[in-house]
Amino acid sequence: ETGVTQTPRHLVMGMTNKKSLKCEQHLGHNAMYWYKQSAKKPLELMFVYNFKEQTENNSVPSRFSPECPNSSHLFLHLHTLQPEDSALYLCASSQGTSGGLETDTQYFGPGTRLTVL
Amino acid sequence: AQSVTQLGSHVSVSEGALVLLRCNYSSSVPPYLFWYVQYPNQGLQLLLKYTSAATLVKGINGFEAEFKKSETSFHLTKPSAHMSDAAEYFCAVGGRGRDDKIIFGKGTRLHILP
Repeated sequence: ETGVTQTPRHLVMGMTNKKSLKCEQHLGHNAMYWYKQSAKKPLELMFVYNFKEQTENNSVPSRFSPECPNSSHLFLHLHTLQPEDSALYLCASSQGTSGGLETDTQYFGPGTRLTVL
Repeated sequence: AQSVTQLGSHVSVSEGALVLLRCNYSSSVPPYLFWYVQYPNQGLQLLLKYTSAATLVKGINGFEAEFKKSETSFHLTKPSAHMSDAAEYFCAVGGRGRDDKIIFGKGTRLHILP
């Protein structure tokens, strides 16, 4: 596998379920990101990890819980979601630096299409 | 705060015609600017990136963008559209000295007419 992979590609869950999204990058990067992409809305940055440290939590509800066990893997744990959480969840990675990520090129996975019933 | 505005959520051009997708930015620090493309059912892919080395940036698939500081613009162009260019295009701005965020625009969906 090369680049950034995400599993599953599609997920349907009920509001009371608990599920996890997985992202893996094979690029040797040190920073990883979760984005939410909804119809008719800009791409929303949710979480950023740089060298396994969470550097951004963009006012995301606690029903979304990120986990970054190492620089190659990123998870998004989901519980008691709402129908409005249905969206495409994109993972990205970038080289990462101690000086800030604002200039990094991000490499995106194909996304997980989440539907909450 | 940084921001980016993409003019036109949908743009249609005929195959072989010029493609012009507009992006204006706001930044209090020297900006880094990006154009990404998203094909159906895929993630975003970098087209090109401006880092202040040259104002005209050439990217993949024949696309290029010109940084114009006086107009705070970074419009994306391609001389001749192909059917395969149909996708959604995102402009994004970052800038050294800010927090760890690159701000994305709302996107412009490009339709290619046969």
